[in-house]
Amino acid sequence: AQSVTQPDIHITVSEGASLELRCNYSYGATPYLFWYVQSPGQGLQLLLKYFSGDTLVQGIKGFEAEFKRSQSSFNLRKPSVHWSDAAEYFCAVGARNAGNMLTFGGGTRLMVKP
Amino acid sequence: EAGVAQSPRYKIIEKRQSVAFWCNPISGHATLYWYQQILGQGPKLLIQFQNNGVVDDSQLPKDRFSAERLKGVDSTLKIQPAKLEDSAVYLCASRNTDTYGYTFGSGTRLTVV
Repeated sequence: AQSVTQPDIHITVSEGASLELRCNYSYGATPYLFWYVQSPGQGLQLLLKYFSGDTLVQGIKGFEAEFKRSQSSFNLRKPSVHWSDAAEYFCAVGARNAGNMLTFGGGTRLMVKP
Repeated sequence: EAGVAQSPRYKIIEKRQSVAFWCNPISGHATLYWYQQILGQGPKLLIQFQNNGVVDDSQLPKDRFSAERLKGVDSTLKIQPAKLEDSAVYLCASRNTDTYGYTFGSGTRLTVV
């Protein structure tokens, strides 16, 4: 069964600083990988996804993520954080089988200092 | 296209009462999922439907939770009787079988007191 670990529960960065959120997964084959963002009281919004091909994936709102098979990681990055980026971020892995269910990590709460 | 619709947005009930949540997926999406998100945690899959059939309900507490998708379109998730630990946001998602595009609804926030 697949699993996802997000080691950082909370991260605080200053506005304008760079950001990296860590995600490690466990899956027996090449997974589908996703990053979602959730603002308070809101649903999940897809930031980006990786299926195959180029391991550096560009997403919305200036985010990118890099799939590193050797490290079983899919870290999310942004070069310059805006105050509006404060939210909860979830990494998820999808199984490449008939179920195609998503398994989520525990999330990282991002706070942005002015 | 319209998104995944869920209702109600909020529900407060007393323990041992019953409650039902409704989800209308994106038109044409054959796969529908119900997730439970407890405060401070990531969403956890409860049940997955393909059309009106159950694909995976291994994480559904079947002694109190039930779900149906009778016509392969909208779905209902029920809890009877509710416990305090059922307080959570219940998210519905749908997916086009031909792609890997999941769309999540805004969720129903359940508080059991």
